[in-house]
Amino acid sequence: QKEVEQNSGPLSVPEGAIASLNCTYSDRGSQSFFWYRQYSGKSPELIMSIYSNGDKEDGRFTAQLNKASQYVSLLIRDSQPSDSATYLCAVNTRYIPTFGRGTSLIVHP
Amino acid sequence: SAVISQKPSRDICQRGTSLTIQCQVDSQVTMMFWYRQQPGQSLTLIATANQGSEATYESGFVIDKFPISRPNLTFSTLTVSNMSPEDSSIYLCSVEGGSLGYGATDTQYFGPGTRLTVL
Repeated sequence: QKEVEQNSGPLSVPEGAIASLNCTYSDRGSQSFFWYRQYSGKSPELIMSIYSNGDKEDGRFTAQLNKASQYVSLLIRDSQPSDSATYLCAVNTRYIPTFGRGTSLIVHP
Repeated sequence: SAVISQKPSRDICQRGTSLTIQCQVDSQVTMMFWYRQQPGQSLTLIATANQGSEATYESGFVIDKFPISRPNLTFSTLTVSNMSPEDSSIYLCSVEGGSLGYGATDTQYFGPGTRLTVL
């Protein structure tokens, strides 16, 4: 059973702070890793993908991957209230992703 | 970017009835996917729909309960049959980014979802 684990939260951070979201996965054969953002009542949207160990930066977002530890994280710098959403970690071992349950992030002014 | 639409956006149904959800993409795609997102749960893949062949169902999902059609490269339907309150969920269709021409092959782009409540 392939599993993707996330802390459900909520994670509450003040505006301007760094939000750190974490995810672990069980299948060592996983090759592709993703972060999706889901606003309440909306469908998930892709925000980051990462395929190799290390960091990948895109604007205020940084994805970090450590395959040896089977660990993926997402850092959001200068968090804004508009970042308040549920963040879903997804891991591909076939052509399709296995999703975690998501971490709820609340950024308060 | 491609537009993925779903109909209906929401519905309230009686136990024992069936509902057919439609998914339309404004470009031709090889594979379409159907997911379920139950309250507080992760997205769970129901099946993969390829045009011209039978859908491939994931463990725990069967064709009699969730029949799928894929008549062409831009359209698919998912039917939730003989519904019970446990089928209350959000149902989402998605396509691969690669098939849309602007995303990676292993990324997913989702439609807006259908919120189903079964009484």
